[in-house]
Amino acid sequence: GENVEQHPSTLSVQEGDSAVIKCTYSDSASNYFPWYKQELGKRPQLIIDIRSNVGEKKDQRIAVTLNKTAKHFSLHITETQPEDSAVYFCAAPSGSARQLTFGSGTQLTVLP
Amino acid sequence: KAGVTQTPRYLIKTRGQQVTLSCSPISGHRSVSWYQQTPGQGLQFLFEYFSETQRNKGNFPGRFSGRQFSNSRSEMNVSTLELGDSALYLCASSLGGQTNNSPLHFGNGTRLTVT
Repeated sequence: GENVEQHPSTLSVQEGDSAVIKCTYSDSASNYFPWYKQELGKRPQLIIDIRSNVGEKKDQRIAVTLNKTAKHFSLHITETQPEDSAVYFCAAPSGSARQLTFGSGTQLTVLP
Repeated sequence: KAGVTQTPRYLIKTRGQQVTLSCSPISGHRSVSWYQQTPGQGLQFLFEYFSETQRNKGNFPGRFSGRQFSNSRSEMNVSTLELGDSALYLCASSLGGQTNNSPLHFGNGTRLTVT
């Protein structure tokens, strides 16, 4: 099955700086890579996703890059704000039914 | 559109009891997935239902079961509860199902505490 590793587990940045979270996956057949943000006590929410036919996707301050050869994808947040503080999860499909396997999460703290 | 609705929000049960959790997906979504979230294990896949059929199952014991109704609403049941079953149980719906890489939309979860 799929093995998704996520690093770092915790990340603290100053407001206005950039944050980068990286995930690696093992199944070369994986072709869809979403990122979810979970604020304390709330549901995980999809913030951006990328499919394997593109190498990068941007949405305002958020971007995701994909390197299929190296089997890793990264979340980039620029000009971080305190409201970006949350746990971020990456995911990749695995198994014959392609269910999403999630990374272990990154606790991002943006210091004012 | 209303989001994914899970009931109840909180449950406290005793070891050995059984529990049923409910999930109403977003209107039009035919796929419902269940995940267990714990601080130590993260988000673990339980199972996915699509058009009333269980399409895939994660590595959980047979005490964990589920079903989906014709209106796409889903329930999951945990029998003979153990202390380790204490967790946040999240339901997620999607349009085409995980097989089609459709984005998952999560509910707020049911917080189960087993004493």
